[in-house]
Amino acid sequence: KAGVTQTPRYLIKTRGQQVTLSCSPISGHRSVSWYQQTPGQGLQFLFEYFSETQRNKGNFPGRFSGRQFSNSRSEMNVSTLELGDSALYLCASSQGQTAYEQYFGPGTRLTVT
Amino acid sequence: LAKTTQPISMDSYEGQEVNITCSHNNIATNDYITWYQQFPSQGPRFIIQGYKTKVTNEVASLFIPADRKSSTLSLPRVSLSDTAVYYCLVGDWDSNYQLIWGAGTKLIIKP
Repeated sequence: KAGVTQTPRYLIKTRGQQVTLSCSPISGHRSVSWYQQTPGQGLQFLFEYFSETQRNKGNFPGRFSGRQFSNSRSEMNVSTLELGDSALYLCASSQGQTAYEQYFGPGTRLTVT
Repeated sequence: LAKTTQPISMDSYEGQEVNITCSHNNIATNDYITWYQQFPSQGPRFIIQGYKTKVTNEVASLFIPADRKSSTLSLPRVSLSDTAVYYCLVGDWDSNYQLIWGAGTKLIIKP
């Protein structure tokens, strides 16, 4: 089976812009989670989607949003980018419950200037 | 909300057994404790998961005491390729279900 894919792999944006990141889960996986990883804060859970519905949400501002399509592919959007949004954004898919075995993609490295 | 605490870094030598402990209070009662491994420029990779007592798979063992306030990942006979960051992951309920990741333990294996 193909693994989790994320596009783009690298992105440079300017403060105030918005960005959309894409994630394609492993075939058959219905849960997609998004994470932000920074050297200072480590791995932080953004949200999880299951069957096109947001099932869980972390403590991030409303500028961070996401959605999931009927084919389980997911997108994450960040509006009004801030310098502190520079991070590695990771997507993970799993067959069922989020807390169970997750498979991560390589991530999208976002740099905000 | 649950908090997790792991050592920031550990050193060991090839062939040794390495134990990494994660302290986690107030975790969800009916949820798994999971450990992941991450290499530079890659996403985390699932290692092992358990609910209580001891779980063993082909790469590691996981020890969880009855009070579930900590868990210990045991890597038998490590090699240089085990140099990585290791994370514990627990779940908790605040206003909604949250996944709480440990800060990670950077394990360096020396020849």
